[in-house]
Amino acid sequence: EAEVAQSPRYKITEKSQAVAFWCDPISGHATLYWYRQILGQGPELLVQFQDESVVDDSQLPKDRFSAERLKGVDSTLKIQPAELGDSAMYLCASSLSGNNEKLFFGSGTQLSVL
Amino acid sequence: AQSVTQLGSHVSVSEGALVLLRCNYSSSVPPYLFWYVQYPNQGLQLLLKYTTGATLVKGINGFEAEFKKSETSFHLTKPSAHMSDAAEYFCAVSEGAAGNKLTFGGGTRVLVKP
Repeated sequence: EAEVAQSPRYKITEKSQAVAFWCDPISGHATLYWYRQILGQGPELLVQFQDESVVDDSQLPKDRFSAERLKGVDSTLKIQPAELGDSAMYLCASSLSGNNEKLFFGSGTQLSVL
Repeated sequence: AQSVTQLGSHVSVSEGALVLLRCNYSSSVPPYLFWYVQYPNQGLQLLLKYTTGATLVKGINGFEAEFKKSETSFHLTKPSAHMSDAAEYFCAVSEGAAGNKLTFGGGTRVLVKP
């Protein structure tokens, strides 16, 4: 079964450094999501793409976070500079049509900021 | 705005016993409701969903949930717990029509005792 690929699986960085996460959605999925999951909480949507366009980034801290999906396929989420409070699991998900009926999630990138 | 409350961050059940996970939501329009499961070191997987129609929804692995509008609830049940059900379960809501974002609850971690 096709899967959403994410890398790296784990990332440890020091505060004020830059980090980047990569996501490759299931082939043919037009909609891509980045979620942040803080320990003990549910996932929170950071940004949603429809093809290469951002359709919702209302919860993305734009002073330090950026996301792109240049060719409408894979995506990169960047944090610069990282802060201690950014420690969390970053989950990527994709869906065929963006109707939220079924999201396919990757295994996530666990970020620790020291 | 939509929101989800999951009662109990941890639930412990004996193998063979009933599993009951509680979820209450708020939404200004008829909601779509979902349960996702997250096994250790894996991404979230869709268990079941309610959009319209029959209020009792059956999902994978013997789980089912009932939408009760009057109680704004969508509780998840399984008649007989299995060791493999140990995981974290997330209830989520979207405000109906296609393209609206999912809002997740805080999750309930299920421990199954032999």
